[in-house]
Amino acid sequence: QQKVQQSPESLSVPEGGMASLNCTSSDRNFQYFWWYRQHSGEGPKALMSIFSDGDKKEGRFTAHLNKASLHVSLHIRDSQPSDSALYFCAASEHGYAQGLTFGLGTRVSVFP
Amino acid sequence: EAAVTQSPRNKVTVTGGNVTLSCRQTNSHNYMYWYRQDTGHGLRLIHYSYGAGNLQIGDVPDGYKATRTTQEDFFLLLELASPSQTSLYFCASSDAGGSDTGQLYFGEGSKLTVL
Repeated sequence: QQKVQQSPESLSVPEGGMASLNCTSSDRNFQYFWWYRQHSGEGPKALMSIFSDGDKKEGRFTAHLNKASLHVSLHIRDSQPSDSALYFCAASEHGYAQGLTFGLGTRVSVFP
Repeated sequence: EAAVTQSPRNKVTVTGGNVTLSCRQTNSHNYMYWYRQDTGHGLRLIHYSYGAGNLQIGDVPDGYKATRTTQEDFFLLLELASPSQTSLYFCASSDAGGSDTGQLYFGEGSKLTVL
């Protein structure tokens, strides 16, 4: 069973709209979460981390973590064509990179 | 920003062939990793290292060897390549401490096809 589950598998969003991505861990030890973004033909790049309950905002991106339910979401406000990419959620026990487990990803397409 | 360079970017080999994928990072990071990316499986960790001469087994190590010769260089070796190893391989690095602990810096990827 996948320890980090993401939904939806894919998402189409109009330019200027809001994209909402979800991630849940089935392992109660996973308390530290990351969001990574991968554009076609490139390696993944870290978007943001979230380690505490509540919201964390970086520009147009807001992550929300609920540790009780091990659920983290990512919201992209005012979506741009450059946001079209594969988004990975990753989780670990201790916040260190060597323990990261990745989900299967959500593919976001932003259309004009 | 951290720089991780992989070579070759594309490689085609035959079943039973020998393949070496190379990775160099120029940011003095302690940790280096090899992942494979496959549709339906996401990113899976093959091997990682926390310094020259060190090797740690990841989640999908079977059929792969790795060697860390210097702090900068990490190699992935496939000595008897099989079609199941056709994949997109990523090298990554991370620091052991500091404000970005936990952040992976990925290379551009190496696409391997085993015929």
